[in-house]
Amino acid sequence: DAGVIQSPRHEVTEMGQEVTLRCKPISGHNSLFWYRQTMMRGLELLIYFNNNVPIDDSGMPEDRFSAKMPNASFSTLKIQPSEPRDSAVYFCASSSLIAGVYNEQFFGPGTRLTVL
Amino acid sequence: SQKIEQNSEALNIQEGKTATLTCNYTNYSPAYLQWYRQDPGRGPVFLLLIRENEKEKRKERLKVTFDTTLKQSLFHITASQPADSATYLCALPNTGGFKTIFGAGTRLFVKA
Repeated sequence: DAGVIQSPRHEVTEMGQEVTLRCKPISGHNSLFWYRQTMMRGLELLIYFNNNVPIDDSGMPEDRFSAKMPNASFSTLKIQPSEPRDSAVYFCASSSLIAGVYNEQFFGPGTRLTVL
Repeated sequence: SQKIEQNSEALNIQEGKTATLTCNYTNYSPAYLQWYRQDPGRGPVFLLLIRENEKEKRKERLKVTFDTTLKQSLFHITASQPADSATYLCALPNTGGFKTIFGAGTRLFVKA
């Protein structure tokens, strides 16, 4: 199994541009999570999906952030327009929700985003 | 509000010694607690899960304890090796259990 796949691994863009991050979860997992990690704030949950449905997006910082999961094998996190304070490492993780309990989460390698 | 505290200062120990990391939490009673390891430039990797009815759990050189009275978990690495150097994160489900909250992590350095 290739694990959770994220692309791109690195993204450098200019303020105001649209950024799209992509994630392919582990096959068979029914839950997907988007996190953001910075030195100041640590690992923050942005949004998570269960069976392709967004369950909790309370961590999404602003309307500039949006996430979709059109099918069980693909999700995107979009930032439009991007700002320098969005610079961070964005992780995607997948897991199985069984009997109302999440098992361990498997993280992707992350996308390092730099907004100039 | 729910809060997770891990020692923000790095822990430096000598190879062969036991490393002990602490995770404290307040304002809720999680059904389980997880520990993850994160290396620079990589995503966190799951290590162990301990449930509220378990006092202790072991996996090879790793041992985790869970004291629901003290609201604390201790993570031990025995016979530590330089390869154990990493950041270790504890993680708990929020009230309702539908999302996982991560602590800030503790950086461990094991010197040869």
